[in-house]
Amino acid sequence: EAGVAQSPRYKIIEKRQSVAFWCNPISGHATLYWYQQILGQGPKLLIQFQNNGVVDDSQLPKDRFSAERLKGVDSTLKIQPAKLEDSAVYLCATEPGGGQTQYFGPGTRLLVL
Amino acid sequence: AQSVTQPDIHITVSEGASLELRCNYSYGATPYLFWYVQSPGQGLQLLLKYFSGDTLVQGIKGFEAEFKRSQSSFNLRKPSVHWSDAAEYFCAVGGSSNTGKLIFGQGTTLQVKP
Repeated sequence: EAGVAQSPRYKIIEKRQSVAFWCNPISGHATLYWYQQILGQGPKLLIQFQNNGVVDDSQLPKDRFSAERLKGVDSTLKIQPAKLEDSAVYLCATEPGGGQTQYFGPGTRLLVL
Repeated sequence: AQSVTQPDIHITVSEGASLELRCNYSYGATPYLFWYVQSPGQGLQLLLKYFSGDTLVQGIKGFEAEFKRSQSSFNLRKPSVHWSDAAEYFCAVGGSSNTGKLIFGQGTTLQVKP
């Protein structure tokens, strides 16, 4: 089966610009996660969706980050405006639901100058 | 608070030698435990997981891990390391039926000497 797809793979922007990342989950996976991985650290959850509803967004900096999952399939994560400290890899992961194994996409590497 | 500690940031072993990567966790309930591997520029690949049952878990690529509740540990082992095992390894806890959120350690970078 096809894995989790993410695009773009790399993005370079200047601070205060906006950027968007896209994730296409494995078919049938109800739960979708966005993680932020800063260099030298483990991934940290930003937001969790169950179908098209938000389960956990407690770690999402809502003044600049937003995410949506239309129709419970694809998801987009947006940053507006970006800060230098947003430079990181943004990982999308999906699972069938019920706390099973998460499958990760290749990530989008963001550099904010 | 829920947390995962990987005490070793960087480990170097010779090819063919045995490997043990340490992981300690703090979690209020019975934990689900995972080890993931990340090669440069790649996403995370699941090596193995522990949900319940036998505390010695076998994974892919010849890896195994042992859950020790009394020590709050879930160490990853491999009897003979191959050069292709060089990567970053992450231990994670969580993934209960209520919320699948994973809490990751900071990772251990494995270097393999020829």
